[in-house]
Amino acid sequence: QKEVEQNSGPLSVPEGAIASLNCTYSDRVSQSFFWYRQYSGKSPELIMSIYSNGDKEDGRFTAQLNKASQYVSLLIRDSQPSDSATYLCAVTVYNFNKFYFGSGTKLNVKP
Amino acid sequence: GAVVSQHPSRVICKSGTSVKIECRSLDFQATTMFWYRQFPKQSLMLMATSNEGSKATYEQGVEKDKFLINHASLTLSTLTVTSAHPEDSSFYICSASTGFHNSNQPQHFGDGTRLSIL
Repeated sequence: QKEVEQNSGPLSVPEGAIASLNCTYSDRVSQSFFWYRQYSGKSPELIMSIYSNGDKEDGRFTAQLNKASQYVSLLIRDSQPSDSATYLCAVTVYNFNKFYFGSGTKLNVKP
Repeated sequence: GAVVSQHPSRVICKSGTSVKIECRSLDFQATTMFWYRQFPKQSLMLMATSNEGSKATYEQGVEKDKFLINHASLTLSTLTVTSAHPEDSSFYICSASTGFHNSNQPQHFGDGTRLSIL
């Protein structure tokens, strides 16, 4: 079982819709959670971090964390074609300085 | 803040050449740096983790004599692909973190190096 699981997609949403990206993780002592965006041919860029249960909002992005169910999600409101990219979920395991990346979900936002 | 510079961005060279890639944290001290490789349309693959002043920890299946990593200072790590061959052609990406003792810190990525071996 992989430490971090993501649906590879592609997830297609129309422009203006809400895109919902999900990620599950296996290690119950995971402490920190991050979402990265990677455009084709480019390196990943950090868009959100979340450390405690609940929602965290930053502009059009909302990260949701549920440690009991071991999932973290990213909502993108008012999706734009420029949001089309692969979104990587990353999880760190406490005190081991280990990052685990999911394989990413490809998002297509159609104009 | 948290800018990571990676150089060069693209390398094209002949088989048998050794190639050095530099990764610098410009505005923070990176106690830990990571090196990844990514093939087209595939996910990131961690090659090794390096902590300043100590030997790198390589992932299973990555040849340490083939991919030499040096992390001599808190702002610089280098990856040398020795005697590169066409199968080493890939997108190499470094990242840096202050998270050696505090795993709450994210990784910040460089722009990557596209290596093409002829």
